[in-house]
Amino acid sequence: DIVMTQTPLSLSVTPGQPASISCRSSQSLLHINGKTYLYWYLQKAGQPPQLLIYEVSNRFSGVPDRFSGSGSTTDFTLKISRVEAEDVGVYYCMQTVQLPYTFGQGTKLEIK
Amino acid sequence: EVQLVQSGAEVKKPGESLKISCKTSGYSFTSLWIAWVRQMPGKGLEWMGIIYPGDSDIRYSPSFQGQVTISADKSITTAYLQWSSLKTSDTAMYYCARQAGYNYGLDVWGKGTTVTVSS
Repeated sequence: DIVMTQTPLSLSVTPGQPASISCRSSQSLLHINGKTYLYWYLQKAGQPPQLLIYEVSNRFSGVPDRFSGSGSTTDFTLKISRVEAEDVGVYYCMQTVQLPYTFGQGTKLEIK
Repeated sequence: EVQLVQSGAEVKKPGESLKISCKTSGYSFTSLWIAWVRQMPGKGLEWMGIIYPGDSDIRYSPSFQGQVTISADKSITTAYLQWSSLKTSDTAMYYCARQAGYNYGLDVWGKGTTVTVSS
């Protein structure tokens, strides 16, 4: 199985400040078709996860442009340019290049 | 509007069987995959498996193979997750989610079904 490792596991950010979450995979997420199947989700308290970023760097419909994704092969980053109170929750990366699909452990974002 | 509506919370005893459902609407059920994801209390997300309702192609995570059964009924655009003999360790929230393509992410999620297994 591909192991997804997120760092940090938790972070506390002042509103208006940036935040960054790293996700590393134990194998390349680059598919033979040239796409890289790395996704980011946010799970707010008491809610199902919601898709933020697909294929490394594409914002899903309705996702604010303060969220951005970058990276390649095995190293990926989710950045929030200016954290807002509504961004609190647990962020997960996920790979779908190879079965079984796997998630990172999650990174809990809190507001200072 | 795409919707995935999951069945209600369940409380069961060890050894009992259970089948939970995920009723979909607003898109072509037979053209996209449905995934099941487990979240144990206070823990992270675990991918259990996927089904392609068009031809009932099913892929399980090795961690869940033999422990659960994924199925779908095209006539009522509903996917299912079932257990033949529950364990206390099956206590968790279970989410269904739509997967737009074989290697794609999960773009629409159900609200989840809480399963509690206790003697």
